[in-house]
Amino acid sequence: GEDVEQSLFLSVREGDSSVINCTYTDSSSTYLYWYKQEPGAGLQLLTYIFSNMDMKQDQRLTVLLNKKDKHLSLRIADTQTGDSAIYFCAESTDSSYKLIFGSGTRLLVRP
Amino acid sequence: DAEITQSPRHKITETGRQVTLACHQTWNHNNMFWYRQDLGHGLRLIHYSYGVHDTNKGEVSDGYSVSRSNTEDLPLTLESAASSQTSVYFCASSHDTYEQYFGPGTRLTVT
Repeated sequence: GEDVEQSLFLSVREGDSSVINCTYTDSSSTYLYWYKQEPGAGLQLLTYIFSNMDMKQDQRLTVLLNKKDKHLSLRIADTQTGDSAIYFCAESTDSSYKLIFGSGTRLLVRP
Repeated sequence: DAEITQSPRHKITETGRQVTLACHQTWNHNNMFWYRQDLGHGLRLIHYSYGVHDTNKGEVSDGYSVSRSNTEDLPLTLESAASSQTSVYFCASSHDTYEQYFGPGTRLTVT
């Protein structure tokens, strides 16, 4: 079945880069997403990538996709304290609008 | 501004009681989703709907039901609340795209 896995916790110093990793098992995944959840709030879409792309950059965010290894990563450059949140990787396929989420990575940014 | 709201934001109920969580969106989105968020599990899909009178079971649908009588609302009902249903519940919507917009969540405690 479909499965999305992430490491649970990442701690970085303010100003450093953060890299959050995700692996997925469904080879028919067409779209892959990164959502951000701040404390006490719902999820907010940060960025997404189509499976026929290798990389997508959006300001401080860089998404890398290795389709062969089914590995997705999110790099946040110049990480700020406001980036502290839980980051969820998610996948979907052409056949539905459902999302399969990973368990989330809690990012802590230390001053 | 269009939005998605959930009510109540917090609910405490007793085992065996029926509970209904409300979700209302003003984007006129076709697709609506209910998730539960538990530590270590990320978000798991409970039920979803692709339009009025359409409902589908998700990954963890046992003990829950939904109905879609109009475009704006997808209430989630726990027929007989159980302690295992203590969780944070998120509603989301999308309009024939893969970007889902999330509500602020409802924290439900079953005692």
